[in-house]
Amino acid sequence: QLQLQESGPGLVKPSETLSLTCTVSGGSISSSRYYWGWIRQPPGKGLEWIGTIYYTGTTYYNPSLKSRVTISVETSNNQFSLKLTSVTAADTAVYYCARLDDSGLDAFDIWGQGTMVTVSS
Amino acid sequence: QSALTQPASVSGSPGLSITISCTGTSSDVGSYNLVSWYQQHPGKAPKLMIYEVSKRPSGVSNRFSGSKSGNTASLTISGLQAEDEADYYCCSYAGSSTWVFGGGTKLTVL
Repeated sequence: QLQLQESGPGLVKPSETLSLTCTVSGGSISSSRYYWGWIRQPPGKGLEWIGTIYYTGTTYYNPSLKSRVTISVETSNNQFSLKLTSVTAADTAVYYCARLDDSGLDAFDIWGQGTMVTVSS
Repeated sequence: QSALTQPASVSGSPGLSITISCTGTSSDVGSYNLVSWYQQHPGKAPKLMIYEVSKRPSGVSNRFSGSKSGNTASLTISGLQAEDEADYYCCSYAGSSTWVFGGGTKLTVL
């Protein structure tokens, strides 16, 4: 059974870079059927799509975050990562990684448990 | 890319039905049959309930159904149960391999 697990610092200082990793277990990140995504949720607010990546490294980003976001993949470790630069308090959120079934369900069908990241000095 | 519009809250009594709307534009909901719905209980990750407007993943109760008309998608939950009380989010493909979520709707089972 495929599982996703986010990891990374829970506290980041303003103006610094937020870095998170998602580890995929129980399946290969290199499957041609799936993309892998990051979604965040500020406290008490809704979900926001950040971006998605294919195992080949092809990426797609939310236009509102594109200038600050980089998503990368490391197939050898079955992981993909998120970097968000120049963070502010507005980037405080629970960050989820999720699988996007692009050839079947066309939806985010498996999610990690999420990790809370607070931006504060 | 603006968030899809959902009502902030809906409520219903056990056994009855409710419908949650999700309004987008001709660039997202109106152009693609790629609307999905997610259920989120407090402190938990979202769970996929509906994909491609009206299809249910394996294991999701047939009390959940979806539809779309023009730029508005809808999620209907029939035979409301206490366990259905949660937040619900819609999501739509928005072209150029981008996705947009709704603001979320809090369902209260009275």
